[in-house]
Amino acid sequence: GAGVSQSPSNKVTEKGKDVELRCDPISGHTALYWYRQSLGQGLEFLIYFQGNSAPDKSGLPSDRFSAERTGGSVSTLTIQRTQQEDSAVYLCASSLFYKGADTIYFGEGSWLTVV
Amino acid sequence: AQSVTQLGSHVSVSEGALVLLRCNYSSSVPPYLFWYVQYPNQGLQLLLKYTSAATLVKGINGFEAEFKKSETSFHLTKPSAHMSDAAEYFCAVSDNAGNMLTFGGGTRLMVKP
Repeated sequence: GAGVSQSPSNKVTEKGKDVELRCDPISGHTALYWYRQSLGQGLEFLIYFQGNSAPDKSGLPSDRFSAERTGGSVSTLTIQRTQQEDSAVYLCASSLFYKGADTIYFGEGSWLTVV
Repeated sequence: AQSVTQLGSHVSVSEGALVLLRCNYSSSVPPYLFWYVQYPNQGLQLLLKYTSAATLVKGINGFEAEFKKSETSFHLTKPSAHMSDAAEYFCAVSDNAGNMLTFGGGTRLMVKP
């Protein structure tokens, strides 16, 4: 596709349930990122994938959060046993390579509400 | 380590007035600097970026920003605000030392008719 695609665009889930959020990066982009945007916390880095290298998980807030990237393309962010504080917009992004000057392109986000 | 501070979480200007959104960064290595804009219910869109070439960077929609190393600043300006500029603006810093793109807290720009 022309841009980064995320699904679902909106998700309401009950506390304690697991959720999966999907990201399709721009075709040919080797780097993929997940960020979280929430009120009062701004934009937080969660995890980063670069090609076939081990992902940088340094931003994941707890072990309830995990992500994988299959075939160097599509990525899934999984949140287990969701809590109300997980309510946020989860933004996926991709870039051609990982170099500091590369432009990172963002999807429109998945709005997660935990009730 | 790197960080970004955006002074003013909300800025209000009149249509036609100068827009100035402030960004200061902290980085132990030469930085790359970015401004992104986020319209309501949309993702982030790149406005412009500084990558160690010209210090005055021109972006889309008439915005520009100037990298000032001595002031560790990268303020965003536009000579004349339009109603369509109302959005949230994020300054961000990255580098070639492996640090992830780090964002400031954002500034919501409101444009009054």
